[in-house]
Parts: sequence; C-alpha cells; structure tokens
Amino acid sequence: EAAVTQSPRNKVAVTGGKVTLSCNQTNNHNNMYWYRQDTGHGLRLIHYSYGAGSTEKGDIPDGYKASRPSQENFSLILELATPSQTSVYFCASGDATGAGNTLYFGEGSRLIVV
Amino acid sequence: QQKVQQSPESLIVPEGGMASLNCTSSDRNVDYFWWYRQHSGKSPKMLMSIFSNGEKEEGRFTVHLNKASLHTSLHIRDSQPSDSALYLCAASPSSGSWQLIFGSGTQLTVMP
Repeated sequence: EAAVTQSPRNKVAVTGGKVTLSCNQTNNHNNMYWYRQDTGHGLRLIHYSYGAGSTEKGDIPDGYKASRPSQENFSLILELATPSQTSVYFCASGDATGAGNTLYFGEGSRLIVV
Repeated sequence: QQKVQQSPESLIVPEGGMASLNCTSSDRNVDYFWWYRQHSGKSPKMLMSIFSNGEKEEGRFTVHLNKASLHTSLHIRDSQPSDSALYLCAASPSSGSWQLIFGSGTQLTVMP
C-alpha cells in the first residue's frame, strides 16, 4: 500500500502567522500535490510538483508557496495565514505512467486560522 | 465555474438499489477520468479509472465514458450502507501536465 504521511494532522494558527504543512511519501512517485477541501468545493489544487526542485501553480495558488527539496518531501507554506485559509489540506503522490496518474492521499491536515 | 461538474450534489438510495452519478468536464483537453471515494473523516481513495470510450465493470461498480461529450458516469448496483460516502470525479489531460482537477462531489447515502 502506498504511503503518504502528513504533519501536523491538526493545527491552530493565528492570523498573520506562518504555517508549514509537511508531506512525506515512500512510494518513489515523481508527482506530488497539495489540495484543500472545503464543503461544496470538492478538492481544489493549490500546488503540485513533478520532482525534486520543481513546483507548479495549481488552480488556487494565491497565498501559498510550495517547496519540494527531495523526491520524498513536499511542503506547503502559508507565509501570512488568514482565516480564509481555514480548511482541510490533503497531500497526494502520483504514479504517472503512460496510462494515467492515480493519486494516493495522505490522511489530511486540519488547519484553523483564528 | 468549475472545470469538472458533478451531479447530483446529493443522492439517497435504498439498500439494494442502484445509484447513478454523473460527471462532465468543460475542458476539452482532458483524456483521463477517475472516480474517487471518500468516507466521512477519511482521505479519498481511487475507486475506478476509465480512459477509453465505453464501459468498465468491477464487481458492483460500472463506469461509462463518452469522450465526445466528456461525460462519465458511475453506477453502483445493489448499493450497501458501506457505500455511503462522497464520490469525487477527477479529470486529467493525456500528456504534458499531470494536474488532476476534481469536481465538488456527490454525497451518496444508502438507507438500510
């Protein structure tokens, strides 16, 4: 079973503070993703990466940065957290092949910004 | 407007009944479709994928794809209470970008 672990699982942050969400995968997948999930919006793509050193903007990148220092690790950084960033964040890794790209998700990180 | 639209938003079916879920992409560059299932409080897990026109069956689950209309549907026969979950449709272009764009989901409830 593919393994993606996220930390922290729960976080309360203050408005204007810096938050870093970390993700580690042991699948040796090239692609990694950060999504946020809010009621009524499904999963919305924030940033993704094709490999170490690369980051790409997804559909809603404003207010977020990403870092991929290695094949295994992909971080999401909120430099100045705002209450609108209260959400559940999911990291995923993908085994992209010529036949598609199945994603394996971590258990999620619940962030509350007060 | 979301690039991947799902309907209905919510669906209630009796145990043993048939559930039918729909998904359409407005992005003509997509080639691949997936269905993910997410139980309450858990992470999404891939249920089925379909990349070619036609139908694919796995147990009680059947997926259809019409590439001309960019429409896929998921049908669950003999629905069980354990099938109650949020069903998410995802679409991706065939090459060049491995972005997966998800719809907002269909909340399925199977009543015992």
